[in-house]
Amino acid sequence: DAKTTQPPSMDCAEGRAANLPCNHSTISGNEYVYWYRQIHSQGPQYIIHGLKNNETNEMASLIITEDRKSSTLILPHATLRDTAVYYCIVRSYHSNYQLIWGAGTKLIIKP
Amino acid sequence: GAVVSQHPSRVICKSGTSVKIECRSLDFQATTMFWYRQFPKQSLMLMATSNEGSKATYEQGVEKDKFLINHASLTLSTLTVTSAHPEDSSFYICSARDRGQGITSEAFFGQGTRLTVV
Repeated sequence: DAKTTQPPSMDCAEGRAANLPCNHSTISGNEYVYWYRQIHSQGPQYIIHGLKNNETNEMASLIITEDRKSSTLILPHATLRDTAVYYCIVRSYHSNYQLIWGAGTKLIIKP
Repeated sequence: GAVVSQHPSRVICKSGTSVKIECRSLDFQATTMFWYRQFPKQSLMLMATSNEGSKATYEQGVEKDKFLINHASLTLSTLTVTSAHPEDSSFYICSARDRGQGITSEAFFGQGTRLTVV
């Protein structure tokens, strides 16, 4: 599966949109982009995933560039409870559903 | 979303003893479950893939005789840390996918088990 690159940390003011970037320049055509987050000392929580098109759900929006080499996770109105480590993962459905975890981005929401 | 329950959430055991961690999918069936280990300030590391009714597949460097995995039903997988040592102290997390969903559907995670070996 393709490797991802994320900034190690980011800050965002409460109430503002948090935009988390992810580079996956070696992504192949059958690989999906998944986003999870992990709040301290808890199991990871699924946020969103996509292949080509932008996706939106009740938690976030996922913007994937046309060449699919990068994506951005958007939390539209960040709250203090969104402070967590956010992981961007690319996975092929041929990989027996395994997720390979990078270091992620530590997002800190500040009041 | 679907719920994966992991038990216990915290356990302290003496060196040399064994500890069993359970992972249950509460409202779906999971043919495959995954076990991860996470050390402080590090990312998740896949230990093994647990397959219902067959042997688990272990990642390189993970001792199969030390970390026993049993996946006897479509809703339960267990990880037993045998002869635990202080270096086994870690955060253990399981995940599962709903076999009734598409192959690209998301995985759901348990809340994790904090193991401390003293």
